[in-house]
Amino acid sequence: GAGVSQSPRYKVTKRGQDVALRCDPISGHVSLYWYRQALGQGPEFLTYFNYEAQQDKSGLPNDRFSAERPEGSISTLTIQRTEQRDSAMYRCASSLASGRQDTQYFGPGTRLTVL
Amino acid sequence: KNQVEQSPQSLIILEGKNCTLQCNYTVSPFSNLRWYKQDTGRGPVSLTIMTFSENTKSNGRYTATLDADTKQSSLHITASQLSDSASYICVVKGGSQGNLIFGKGTKLSVKP
Repeated sequence: GAGVSQSPRYKVTKRGQDVALRCDPISGHVSLYWYRQALGQGPEFLTYFNYEAQQDKSGLPNDRFSAERPEGSISTLTIQRTEQRDSAMYRCASSLASGRQDTQYFGPGTRLTVL
Repeated sequence: KNQVEQSPQSLIILEGKNCTLQCNYTVSPFSNLRWYKQDTGRGPVSLTIMTFSENTKSNGRYTATLDADTKQSSLHITASQLSDSASYICVVKGGSQGNLIFGKGTKLSVKP
């Protein structure tokens, strides 16, 4: 497809389980961003990559959260030992470059529910 | 602290009316400011991106203004339509690491 895709679209898991969320950016886009969005709130920045390099992970809430983009394309956000407070919509975005005028294109998100 | 504040939190207007949404920021250094429209259950869609040298930018019925001196931006919607009902999010790129800092959004409801 032409847009950013994410999978799964919905994930329900039990507390303590690990989850992996996948983002497939627009082909050729250099930058990839992960956000978390609580209901009724704006997106909260988690981390971003230029190519395969993780440029900034200051938004990751704690060390249970990690992300990788090993080949500079698809990215995986992993949450270990999930907790109920991790429940949220996780959104991925990509942009052609990381310059001043880059437009970010958002994926549909993965709705994570931790029981 | 780098912050983006939006007002009002929510707004209800009648179809055909105009409205203006506000965004104040304290992000430094400043790179650019974006307005996004987010329909319920969908991802945000970019409306405008403005750098400090641009003080007005239009996209159809949407007009964004930026005052880099007072660190304020507004999004004006003209002749509103039912399809304008959405959350409008102000985002500032800047800070020492060039991150995107999001406001909480203004939820706009356009009624017939």
